[in-house]
Amino acid sequence: QKEVEQDPGPLSVPEGAIVSLNCTYSNSAFQYFMWYRQYSRKGPELLMYTYSSGNKEDGRFTAQVDKSSKYISLFIRDSQPSDSATYLCAMGSGGYQKVTFGTGTKLQVIP
Amino acid sequence: GAGVSQTPSNKVTEKGKYVELRCDPISGHTALYWYRQSLGQGPEFLIYFQGTGAADDSGLPNDRFFAVRPEGSVSTLKIQRTERGDSAVYLCASSLTKASGGGSEQFFGPGTRLTVL
Repeated sequence: QKEVEQDPGPLSVPEGAIVSLNCTYSNSAFQYFMWYRQYSRKGPELLMYTYSSGNKEDGRFTAQVDKSSKYISLFIRDSQPSDSATYLCAMGSGGYQKVTFGTGTKLQVIP
Repeated sequence: GAGVSQTPSNKVTEKGKYVELRCDPISGHTALYWYRQSLGQGPEFLIYFQGTGAADDSGLPNDRFFAVRPEGSVSTLKIQRTERGDSAVYLCASSLTKASGGGSEQFFGPGTRLTVL
């Protein structure tokens, strides 16, 4: 079993829809949680970063962490065609950021 | 430079050859990471440098893989006797290191796409 599980999709939604992306994890040592966005042939770009359980909002993006269930989510409101990309969840532990990534979910927002 | 740069952007080599992949981190970033990303997968950790030393090389798949960072800035990932299974995108990232520990945002380069024929 992988430490981080993520549905690879692809996920296709109409413009303006609310998108929900999810990951589950098995390692209780994970202390911080991230979502990255990766466009084709580019490196991952950090979207959201959080240490604690609960919600964190940044513009159209909301990250949700439930440590008791080992489950994290990313919500995208009012999705735009420019949001079309692969979204990677990532988790880390320890004194430095050794990060374990999910497989990524490919999202397509259709105009 | 403004971001992490990696060269070459693409590398095609033949099975059994030696390759070197270069990473220029963001100026002032003391931590540097190498990842490997296979098609349809997330990045997989290979090695982490703090300054000039490899603090954690537990992700290197075998002894054909080696990385250096001699002056604490530029890093080179070296792969000997390449195999077809080494074909992937090799990503480099850099970050500041917080004095109190914990995570610090990693900034990724665009990657080097390695193809072993």
